[in-house]
Amino acid sequence: DAGVIQSPRHEVTEMGQEVTLRCKPISGHNSLFWYRQTMMRGLELLIYFNNNVPIDDSGMPEDRFSAKMPNASFSTLKIQPSEPRDSAVYFCASSLEDQGYEQFFGPGTRLTVL
Amino acid sequence: AQKVTQAQTEISVVEKEDVTLDCVYETRDTTYYLFWYKQPPSGELVFLIRRNSFDEQNEISGRYSWNFQKSTSSFNFTITASQVVDSAVYFCALSEAEDTGFQKLVFGTGTRLLVSP
Repeated sequence: DAGVIQSPRHEVTEMGQEVTLRCKPISGHNSLFWYRQTMMRGLELLIYFNNNVPIDDSGMPEDRFSAKMPNASFSTLKIQPSEPRDSAVYFCASSLEDQGYEQFFGPGTRLTVL
Repeated sequence: AQKVTQAQTEISVVEKEDVTLDCVYETRDTTYYLFWYKQPPSGELVFLIRRNSFDEQNEISGRYSWNFQKSTSSFNFTITASQVVDSAVYFCALSEAEDTGFQKLVFGTGTRLLVSP
């Protein structure tokens, strides 16, 4: 079975540009999570969806960040405009309630904002 | 509020040594899950184990073992006869039933394990 798929794996952009990160969860999973990992702040949950509905976006740093899940097999995290302090690794994870709530993580997208 | 503390920032051992990674958690919920994840140098996060709050049995999987003690709010992870491939950052995490229905994982800051030959 394919795991969580994220694209791109690496993204280098300039300050002020729009960045879109993509995620395809494991087929059949009904929860999807976006995390950010930095040296300073560790692993932070940004937002999570359950059955495509955003449940908790309290971790989204500011209005420049937005996330969507138009269907069960696709989600995006958008940063507009991007800033150097957004540089981090962004992980997407998915889980299925009936399988013990463990979250399976994608390989991450390493974002560098110059 | 839920919190996970991994006091050991970095541990260095020589191959074949046993090593224990500590995890202490805080929660007011009586129903919760505890997890361990491994993040090797390649960067992905790999699920290792899940434990629910009603199951205090220790678990062994090959060279890995986990000791869950509710009395001390600890969920420690031991690697026996460590190998170079065990070098990674290990994260302990907690999810509660209340409010989030186990959906939100709160991670500790991680322990970097370096196993040298």
